[in-house]
Parts: sequence; structure tokens; C-alpha cells
Amino acid sequence: ETGVTQTPRHLVMGMTNKKSLKCEQHLGHNAMYWYKQSAKKPLELMFVYNFKEQTENNSVPSRFSPECPNSSHLFLHLHTLQPEDSALYLCASSQVGGTYGYTFGSGTRLTVV
Amino acid sequence: DQQVKQNSPSLSVQEGRISILNCDYTNSMFDYFLWYKKYPAEGPTFLISISSIKDKNEDGRFTVFLNKSAKHLSLHIVPSQPGDSAVYFCAASDNAGGTSYGKLTFGQGTILTVHP
Repeated sequence: ETGVTQTPRHLVMGMTNKKSLKCEQHLGHNAMYWYKQSAKKPLELMFVYNFKEQTENNSVPSRFSPECPNSSHLFLHLHTLQPEDSALYLCASSQVGGTYGYTFGSGTRLTVV
Repeated sequence: DQQVKQNSPSLSVQEGRISILNCDYTNSMFDYFLWYKKYPAEGPTFLISISSIKDKNEDGRFTVFLNKSAKHLSLHIVPSQPGDSAVYFCAASDNAGGTSYGKLTFGQGTILTVHP
């Protein structure tokens, strides 16, 4: 596996469910990100992890809970979501001190019913 | 407050012609700009970038122009090809020191369609 891998690719969950999104990067990067893409809106930064430490939480509701056990893995734990949370969730990684190009995963298409 | 704006939701161009995608920003602290391309069911992929110390950067068919006084950048694709049809995102960073993680702020994207 190379690049940034996200699983699952698609997820349908009820508002009372608990689920997790997984992201894994095989690039040796030391920063990882969660972005949300809703229809006709910019990519919205949710969380930033820099050397496994959360360095930014962009006013994200507590029903989204990130976890970064190591520099290669990033999770987004979901619970009691709302229908308006339905979106494409993208994970990205980059190298601190390197160029500013992110490498993105293919995303998880989340539908909350 | 949207700091990076792409005011054209879509653009349609004939194959072989030039595609010009535009992006405006409001934060004067932004010092590095990037364009990403996104196909359906895939994540965005890096296309080309430009530092604020330059006004032009070229890579093959792709050229990015930066006008700092107008806080405007554009992506030119010449000649356009059907395979260029995708969503193009403009992004900006204000962490040019190289010691930070280079947080990116994205625009909302422009859908480019290149007709054969």
C-alpha cells in the first residue's frame, strides 16, 4: 500500500450509531488532517495532528472525536451524528518543514439517516 | 468568513483551448498557494503551487499566476484536454517558515468540463 488509505469508502449510519473512520499513511509524514467536504462548500479543516499531538480543533462538535495513536494512523470516531453531518470526510498527511503539498486519501462518503 | 474564494462554480471549455480558473483571497498573511485537482470518488491531488515571492510558476500545460496586490491567483491550462475535466481547488497557507505543518485553507472548487 502506498499513499494515504481511508476506510471505509462508504458508510451509512443511523443517528444513534457509533462508528469510526480510519486513515493510514505510508509516506513517512508527521502531520495528519481531517477535512470535511459538503456539497458546494470549501474543504473544511476539522482537526490537525502534528507528531501525534492534536494541534488544532477547528470548533468541531464533540460528536466527532479524533484519535491519533501514531504518526501513521488517524481515526475519526463518530457518535450521535445529525443528518447535516452527511459529507465526504477526507484524511490528508504532510511533512512538517517540507513542501506544503498534502497527500489526500480517497475519502469516506458518510450518510447519516 | 471565507478567506479563499472561487467565484465560478463551473467552467466549460473546448478541447485545445485555454482554461482559466480564478481564485481570490482575503488574508494578506497567506504566502503560499496551491491548486489541487479532484476526480469523482478520489481525494484531491496536488497540481501546482506558487510562493508569494513569485508571480508565475509553470509546469507543462499548467501555469499559475499570482497578483498579490489584487489578492488574486489564476490557473491556466493550455491546451485543455478532456482528461482535465475535474474539480479544481485553490488553497492557501500562511505558514511559510517551514517549521510548521503548513495548514491549508481551501476554496469551494470549480468544476471544469473540457469538451472534445
